[in-house]
Amino acid sequence: GAGVSQSPSNKVTEKGKDVELRCDPISGHTALYWYRQRLGQGLEFLIYFQGNSAPDKSGLPSDRFSAERTGESVSTLTIQRTQQEDSAVYLCASSTQAVAKNIQYFGAGTRLSVL
Amino acid sequence: AQSVSQHNHHVILSEAASLELGCNYSYGGTVNLFWYVQYPGQHLQLLLKYFSGDPLVKGIKGFEAEFIKSKFSFNLRKPSVQWSDTAEYFCAVNADSGNTPLVFGKGTRLSVIA
Repeated sequence: GAGVSQSPSNKVTEKGKDVELRCDPISGHTALYWYRQRLGQGLEFLIYFQGNSAPDKSGLPSDRFSAERTGESVSTLTIQRTQQEDSAVYLCASSTQAVAKNIQYFGAGTRLSVL
Repeated sequence: AQSVSQHNHHVILSEAASLELGCNYSYGGTVNLFWYVQYPGQHLQLLLKYFSGDPLVKGIKGFEAEFIKSKFSFNLRKPSVQWSDTAEYFCAVNADSGNTPLVFGKGTRLSVIA
């Protein structure tokens, strides 16, 4: 596609519910990243995928967070038993490959509100 | 671990004023440096980047940044801002080794008034 696409753009959920956020990267981009931006904070790295390699999950804040990606296509970030502190904008980015000198292209994000 | 500090949370300038946004990072090794911008209602986009070579890099829309290794800084500058520069600006860094995601500062909100 033309850019990184994320859905939904907004999600309101009740505490304790599970949510799934979707990211469709730029076609041909082998690397995909998830970040979280809480109010007044910078972006925090959550997880990244590079091709068929095992993902780097080092940024996931708890075992309630997980993500999947099939091949080099769509990724879903799942948050189980959501808590109010999970409220944030979740951003997805993709790049041609996961090397340090890469440019990451960002989607518009999903704004998650946990009531 | 790397960290990025942006000194100004919110900057308000009149049109035609000069801009300098501070960014300092902490990391002892070789780094790549980025400035991203988020205009109201739009997604993050790359403004400029430094990988190596000339420490003064130029980006889109008349922005430039200077990498000063001894000060661990990568400040963003523009000689004359416009109303359309109103946005949030994020400095980011990653270590130049292996596959490393970006570490971002908290961002600086720039408001340009007519």
